[in-house]
Amino acid sequence: EVQLLESGGGLVQPGGSLRLSCAASGFTFSSYAMSWVRQAPGKGLEWVSAISGSGGSTYYADSVKGRFTISRDNSKNTLYLQMNSLRAEDTAVYYCAKDTAFYCSGGSCYSDYWGQGTLVTVSS
Amino acid sequence: DIQMTQSPSSLSASVGDRVTITCRASQGISNSLAWYQQKPGKAPKLLLYAASRLESGVPSRFSGSGSGTDYTLTISSLQPEDFATYYCQQYYSTLMYTFGQGTKLEIK
Repeated sequence: EVQLLESGGGLVQPGGSLRLSCAASGFTFSSYAMSWVRQAPGKGLEWVSAISGSGGSTYYADSVKGRFTISRDNSKNTLYLQMNSLRAEDTAVYYCAKDTAFYCSGGSCYSDYWGQGTLVTVSS
Repeated sequence: DIQMTQSPSSLSASVGDRVTITCRASQGISNSLAWYQQKPGKAPKLLLYAASRLESGVPSRFSGSGSGTDYTLTISSLQPEDFATYYCQQYYSTLMYTFGQGTKLEIK
């Protein structure tokens, strides 16, 4: 059974940093790309970032480019999202999701399993 | 960036009704479209991918169609457990996947 468990959320001041983790199990982690998607309170889904199975290719939404860094440790079956220079508008539940291919390009994959999310609140 | 416009933003319907939700892309996405269902406080659940392919375990009352820029999700006979928010997502553009703004399906 695929399981994704996010952690690391919490309250942080504007300008601060936070690192989210997503522990994966139930599948061969290194064989699949992974994504982060967020949802602000009462709002819709926003794709944030994605990373290939090897970690060699990364992608970011314009809203987080230059501030967030996605990474993975395939030896630990764990996905990360380092978030720096946090803003109030980054307040959201952050979901990690398993994608359906090792490397996503040109319509080759989508997210088939999602974790339950971790809440990040940016406020003074 | 590819923009996804979903309509309607909300919809009231009754158990047994047939409902259709539409998603329009700002450019052609070659059927690289997924539909997700989300219930309050829960993670999204994949319903369909490649515009019309049903994810394993999803009831057959859910179906998808479309091509080019226009896509639809149809629920043939609404069940009580179907009242939720539905999102489309294009995955044609690797550089930035985008979601529609969501359609909240409520009980009439």
